[in-house]
Amino acid sequence: EAGVAQSPRYKIIEKRQSVAFWCNPISGHATLYWYQQILGQGPKLLIQFQNNGVVDDSQLPKDRFSAERLKGVDSTLKIQPAKLEDSAVYLCASSFSPGGARETQYFGPGTRLLVL
Amino acid sequence: SQQGEEDPQALSIQEGENATMNCSYKTSINNLQWYRQNSGRGLVHLILIRSNEREKHSGRLRVTLDTSKKSSSLLITASRAADTASYFCATGETGANNLFFGTGTRLTVIP
Repeated sequence: EAGVAQSPRYKIIEKRQSVAFWCNPISGHATLYWYQQILGQGPKLLIQFQNNGVVDDSQLPKDRFSAERLKGVDSTLKIQPAKLEDSAVYLCASSFSPGGARETQYFGPGTRLLVL
Repeated sequence: SQQGEEDPQALSIQEGENATMNCSYKTSINNLQWYRQNSGRGLVHLILIRSNEREKHSGRLRVTLDTSKKSSSLLITASRAADTASYFCATGETGANNLFFGTGTRLTVIP
C-alpha cells in the first residue's frame, strides 16, 4: 500500500513570497490533515478535511494560509504571504474514517519550509 | 493547544537497555497514541491505547495508561540504535475531532 505522498520535500523562500504544498493521501482514506511542526515542538493541527469538506480549521491563520481538497483526494496548502515564523515542517496525514481522534493517522514525509 | 507533555525531554541510553518515556495530559480522553519520528521524516504510528485499557503490548513496546492520574508511559525494551528518534504522545480528547500532540521525548540509543 502506497503511503502519504507530499511535495516538495524542501522549500526555501523569502518573506512575503507565496508557497504551496501538495499532498496525496492513502487511497480510500476519507480524512486528511495538515499539521505544522516547528523545530523542537510537536505537530499542531492546521486543518482537517473529511472528504472535501472542512471539519476543523480553527488553528489555521486564515489571513495568510489557505487549503483545499478537491474531489476529496489530493490537497494543497498555500501560504501567501509567508512570514519568518512560518519556517517549519508541514506534515500531511490521512486516516481511513472520519474518527480523527479515535484512530491511527498515517503521515507523509513532510515539507521542510525555510523563510528567509 | 498541545495536550500531552512528555518527560523526559531527552534520554540517552546504551544499546540493550530499556527506555521509558512518560506522558501527562489534562482532560478526558478517548484514547492515547504514541508516534515515532526519525530525524527529517514524518511520524509513524506505534500504538493506540483506549481509555478503558490499562496496558498494551506490541513487540518490544509496552504502553500503560492511568486515566486517574492522566498519564501514560511507553517502555521500549532491549533498545537498538535504530530506536533513536523522537517519540510523541497524542491524545484523542473526548468530543474532539483531532489529536493533540505533546512536545516529544528525544531518545538516543548509543551502540
